[in-house]
Amino acid sequence: GAGVSQSPSNKVTEKGKDVELRCDPISGHTALYWYRQSLGQGLEFLIYFQGNSAPDKSGLPSDRFSAERTGGSVSTLTIQRTQQEDSAVYLCASRFGGGAGETQYFGPGTRLLVL
Amino acid sequence: AQSVSQHNHHVILSEAASLELGCNYSYGGTVNLFWYVQYPGQHLQLLLKYFSGDPLVKGIKGFEAEFIKSKFSFNLRKPSVQWSDTAEYFCAVSPSYSGAGSYQLTFGKGTKLSVIP
Repeated sequence: GAGVSQSPSNKVTEKGKDVELRCDPISGHTALYWYRQSLGQGLEFLIYFQGNSAPDKSGLPSDRFSAERTGGSVSTLTIQRTQQEDSAVYLCASRFGGGAGETQYFGPGTRLLVL
Repeated sequence: AQSVSQHNHHVILSEAASLELGCNYSYGGTVNLFWYVQYPGQHLQLLLKYFSGDPLVKGIKGFEAEFIKSKFSFNLRKPSVQWSDTAEYFCAVSPSYSGAGSYQLTFGKGTKLSVIP
């Protein structure tokens, strides 16, 4: 597609439930990022995938968070046993390569509300 | 690790006023610098970026930013704002070397700009 797409655009869930958020990067982009944007905060890095390399999971806030990227393309971010503090906008970004300073292209985000 | 500080949380200007949004970063090496913008209801998009060379960078929609290495700053400017510039602006930094860690983009907390017609 023309840009990064994410689904769903909005998700409301009950505390304790699991959620899956999906990201379709720009075709041909080898690098994929997940960020979390909470109210009044900047973007918090969660995880990074680059080609077939092991992902950088250093930003995941707890072991309830996990992500995978299948076939070097689509990625799924899973949050298990959601908590109210998980409520945020989850953003996905992709970029063409791993070079320094390459531009990241962002998706529209998934707005998650945990009741 | 790098960090980014944006001085203003919310800026309110009248149309035609001049704009300057502050951004300071902390990092021990050379950096690439970015400004991203998020218009209401839209996704983040790149406004401009600095890699090397001329420290005055021009971006889309009449925006520019100046990299002042001695001050670790990358302030965003526009001589005359329009109502359509109402948005949230994020400064970001990444290490400029290639290799491990160079992909890390660290964002500031953002500055919300409201332009009054």
